[in-house]
Amino acid sequence: DAGVIQSPRHEVTEMGQEVTLRCKPISGHNSLFWYRQTMMRGLELLIYFNNNVPIDDSGMPEDRFSAKMPNASFSTLKIQPSEPRDSAVYFCASSLGLGELFFGEGSRLTVL
Amino acid sequence: SQQGEEDPQALSIQEGENATMNCSYKTSINNLQWYRQNSGRGLVHLILIRSNEREKHSGRLRVTLDTSKKSSSLLITASRAADTASYFCATALRSGGGADGLTFGKGTHLIIQP
Repeated sequence: DAGVIQSPRHEVTEMGQEVTLRCKPISGHNSLFWYRQTMMRGLELLIYFNNNVPIDDSGMPEDRFSAKMPNASFSTLKIQPSEPRDSAVYFCASSLGLGELFFGEGSRLTVL
Repeated sequence: SQQGEEDPQALSIQEGENATMNCSYKTSINNLQWYRQNSGRGLVHLILIRSNEREKHSGRLRVTLDTSKKSSSLLITASRAADTASYFCATALRSGGGADGLTFGKGTHLIIQP
């Protein structure tokens, strides 16, 4: 059974460009989470969805960040325009209820 | 803001020794979970302990939870080189139905010396 699938695994872009990260959760899971990991700040919860509905986006750093979940099998995290301080590893995770989270392998973003 | 804080930040031990990591948190929780992250990879769930449990075992892992002190510990017995990784505690706040985002500490980086 496939786990959480994220793409791209690596993205290098220039400041000001739009970045779109994609996530396919595990089939049957009803919750999806976007996290950002940096050395300085650790793992930060950006936003999570329950049954495709955004529940808490208080972790989204700025209006430049947006996330969508158009259906149960797909989510995107978009940064527009990107800035160097957005460089981080972005993780998507899914779960069923309050149980364990299953993480993807992450998307490493470098903004020059 | 981070709910859990792991201690120590880094730990280096010899293979075969036991490794103990601690986690402190601030508010009441529904459950506490431990995860492992190998370099360059995603996090992998290790064990979940509920607020009404005090101790839980899984293979070489032993987790304790003290809700009065708002702390938890993860013990890895008979460590192996493959246990080298970062270990995170994460807390779930909300009880009842519906999801709640886990909040993670900054992790303990464990190095097992062969």
